[in-house]
Amino acid sequence: GAVVSQHPSRVICKSGTSVKIECRSLDFQATTMFWYRQFPKQSLMLMATSNEGSKATYEQGVEKDKFLINHASLTLSTLTVTSAHPEDSSFYICSASTSGQGQETQYFGPGTRLLVL
Amino acid sequence: LAKTTQPISMDSYEGQEVNITCSHNNIATNDYITWYQQFPSQGPRFIIQGYKTKVTNEVASLFIPADRKSSTLSLPRVSLSDTAVYYCLVGDNGNTPLVFGKGTRLSVIA
Repeated sequence: GAVVSQHPSRVICKSGTSVKIECRSLDFQATTMFWYRQFPKQSLMLMATSNEGSKATYEQGVEKDKFLINHASLTLSTLTVTSAHPEDSSFYICSASTSGQGQETQYFGPGTRLLVL
Repeated sequence: LAKTTQPISMDSYEGQEVNITCSHNNIATNDYITWYQQFPSQGPRFIIQGYKTKVTNEVASLFIPADRKSSTLSLPRVSLSDTAVYYCLVGDNGNTPLVFGKGTRLSVIA
C-alpha cells in the first residue's frame, strides 16, 4: 500500500514556541492531504484540508492563524502550530489520497505526538 | 457529523471470527465503504474497501448488502494483536475528507 510519513514522530516544546510537522507521501503524489487531531480516548477530528498550490480549507472552530498549513508540493504538506500552548498537546495525524482500481483511497501517516509544557 | 454508526466495543477470544457491523443509512450513490484499524499512538491503517457485495483480502472480508445501508467487517481467527479500534467510513473519493465516528474498540482475550 501507499506510504505516508510524518516528521517528527514526537516533539516536546515550551509554551509560546512554534512547532512544524511534516507530512510526506513517499511513493505517490497527492494533490490533497488532510490534517487530523486526536485527543486521548477520542476519535480523529478533521482540522483542515490541504490542497497543493492553494490555501487550506479549515474546519469550523480551527484557527487558521494558529495552525498554519502549507502544501508546497505534491508530496509534502506541513502543519505549523504557532505559539503553542498546553491545550494544543495532542496527536496530529495527516492523510493523503491515491488512486487504486478507479477509487481513491486515503492513507494515514503514523502521527506526531505533541506535548507543550 | 459522522455518517456511520458502530458498536462502541466488542470482546472476543483468540481464534474466533469477529464480525463488526456498521450502519450507514444515508450512504450516497458515489460513496465507497472503507475500514481502518488503529492501534494506540499510531495512525489509522487501511484494512479493506468496497462498494457492494463482498470483498476479501489477506486480512479481512467486507460484506455489503444490496441496499448498502450497512456493512460488516469480518476478521477470521483473531489474535491478541488484533486488539485495536476499528473505524468504518464512507466517502465518495479521496479528495473528500473522511469523517470519523467513534469506532469500535475490539478487545481480544487469550
